[in-house]
Amino acid sequence: NAGVTQTPKFQVLKTGQSMTLQCAQDMNHNSMYWYRQDPGMGLRLIYYSASEGTTDKGEVPNGYNVSRLNKREFSLRLESAAPSQTSVYFCASRVSGGTNTGELFFGEGSRLTVL
Amino acid sequence: AQSVTQLDSQVPVFEEAPVELRCNYSSSVSVYLFWYVQYPNQGLQLLLKYLSGSTLVESINGFEAEFNKSQTSFHLRKPSVHISDTAEYFCAVTRRQGGSEKLVFGKGTKLTVNP
Repeated sequence: NAGVTQTPKFQVLKTGQSMTLQCAQDMNHNSMYWYRQDPGMGLRLIYYSASEGTTDKGEVPNGYNVSRLNKREFSLRLESAAPSQTSVYFCASRVSGGTNTGELFFGEGSRLTVL
Repeated sequence: AQSVTQLDSQVPVFEEAPVELRCNYSSSVSVYLFWYVQYPNQGLQLLLKYLSGSTLVESINGFEAEFNKSQTSFHLRKPSVHISDTAEYFCAVTRRQGGSEKLVFGKGTKLTVNP
């Protein structure tokens, strides 16, 4: 029972390089999310996908793009990485529809360093 | 806009001592409240939640939280902590944005349980 799987777990980039973080869930969830976690800042929502075929911006979308490839997969792309994007990135998913009862299921995180 | 304030960024305690992690939220409407826990090098996991009904909610590992509407608080408590409770704890509140609801996280409280 894998839950939410993120790859890669660690990545070091140089400023200006691009990369894609992959996320897949096997729980048949409709909604998927990308967060970043920085010390003292908590979790901040980058982008989310309420259902297959839709994506929306969160609090901090600048510098990122996303693709909801299918119901299982939701990728996050950094087109031109900057040191300010050094962070731990978390993908999460949940069953949607009706009231948001809040139970998000998280991956283990992807630690990105931009030099 | 919904905001969540966790009043303590770090809480050190000794094993078997009681602990309270404080959370206040800003809202004048009905909310759903959550506590998530993040163990070292892992993603977040739901610890407990308040949706409606009894204002005191409990987790399976001895934590409890009480929804206090008049004080807009949802403090997390445990009467006797263990070393294994060392983790970061996040309070979260649902926020309605447009036609959807999203979770807003506090900045987290690092609980360190010392022997």
